[in-house]
Amino acid sequence: DAGVTQSPTHLIKTRGQQVTLRCSPKSGHDTVSWYQQALGQGPQFIFQYYEEEERQRGNFPDRFSGHQFPNYSSELNVNALLLGDSALYLCASSSPPGGTQYFGPGTRLTVL
Amino acid sequence: GIQVEQSPPDLILQEGANSTLRCNFSDSVNNLQWFHQNPWGQLINLFYIPSGTKQNGRLSATTVATERYSLLYISSSQTTDSGVYFCATNAGGTSYGKLTFGQGTILTVHP
Repeated sequence: DAGVTQSPTHLIKTRGQQVTLRCSPKSGHDTVSWYQQALGQGPQFIFQYYEEEERQRGNFPDRFSGHQFPNYSSELNVNALLLGDSALYLCASSSPPGGTQYFGPGTRLTVL
Repeated sequence: GIQVEQSPPDLILQEGANSTLRCNFSDSVNNLQWFHQNPWGQLINLFYIPSGTKQNGRLSATTVATERYSLLYISSSQTTDSGVYFCATNAGGTSYGKLTFGQGTILTVHP
């Protein structure tokens, strides 16, 4: 039984560029949540997708957007990258949305 | 929104020692989870424990929801227990599904 998977593992971008991160949920899960973890901090909630709609959103600007596909996988898009967007991006899946969340290995984004 | 505070921020132990990590939260919760983050960044689920007590090997956890705190006990610590321990909760209602994390406890276990 595959757990939560994320791609890519690492990514280096320059300021102003756009990036897309991908997540496949744990088998049997229909809800995907995204978190940003800056160095030395706890993860911060970005948003949650359920039934292909954004259901919850944290305190992140509109440059952060997402999508959920019919197979429950999800993408996180960040436009106009800033240096401060450098972080570990974590995806979690659950079923139902308020249930136990299981995390993927993360994508480490570096913005130069 | 809900506030989550963890203590202590740092903990240094000798192998074999026991420890207690604390998590205080500011509101009633529907979900409380404890995680161990390894050096590669992977968050590993330890417990889902919105109330009561659970045990898994050398680890156990207790949540007293009415007093808004949770404790994680590590007994006979090993060097592989080193890492960052996070608790995370959601408050239900409009925050259903949104986990709020504490700042973590950095545990270092020396041989």
